[in-house]
Amino acid sequence: KAGVTQTPRYLIKTRGQQVTLSCSPISGHRSVSWYQQTPGQGLQFLFEYFSETQRNKGNFPGRFSGRQFSNSRSEMNVSTLELGDSALYLCASSLRGGRAGELFFGEGSRLTVL
Amino acid sequence: GDSVTQMEGPVTLSEEAFLTINCTYTATGYPSLFWYVQYPGEGLQLLLKATKADDKGSNKGFEATYRKETTSFHLEKGSVQVSDSAVYFCALSAPNQAGTALIFGKGTTLSVSS
Repeated sequence: KAGVTQTPRYLIKTRGQQVTLSCSPISGHRSVSWYQQTPGQGLQFLFEYFSETQRNKGNFPGRFSGRQFSNSRSEMNVSTLELGDSALYLCASSLRGGRAGELFFGEGSRLTVL
Repeated sequence: GDSVTQMEGPVTLSEEAFLTINCTYTATGYPSLFWYVQYPGEGLQLLLKATKADDKGSNKGFEATYRKETTSFHLEKGSVQVSDSAVYFCALSAPNQAGTALIFGKGTTLSVSS
């Protein structure tokens, strides 16, 4: 069974640009959530999608957005990139969601903003 | 707001030593509690969880007990192996949310030498 797949794995952007990251969840999983991991702030929740609807949102500015498609694949977009957006972005999928459910994480997309 | 505090690392142990990684939390009500592990070059994976007070989660020789009175969920293992070297994250899922949003601690790096 394939795990959570994130693309691209590495990317470099400059300030002011925008970026789109993609996540393919485990087959059958309907919940996809995104996290930002940095050395200073650790792992922080961005948002969660379930059946194409955003169910939860973390405390990030509106430059961070996401969506989920009918096949449960998800994308997140960051517009007007800032240096502080450099981070590892992790996607996680879950069978049904729910606060006791197990999350399955991908290996992440490492974004560097210059 | 809800938060998780875990002991700073790195933790360096010899093989077969006893391991404790402390984790305390702040939350309203009864959160679900988790330990996730990140092995080098891999995504986070669930190690164990507990969903109510006094529950004990266990897996691969690791254990943690949900202590409501001390708001703690310390991770323990009686005899560590070199293969346990990884970063360990304590996390909670707040009781007042429908989704899977997790609040993570900063992570503790464990290094086990033979």
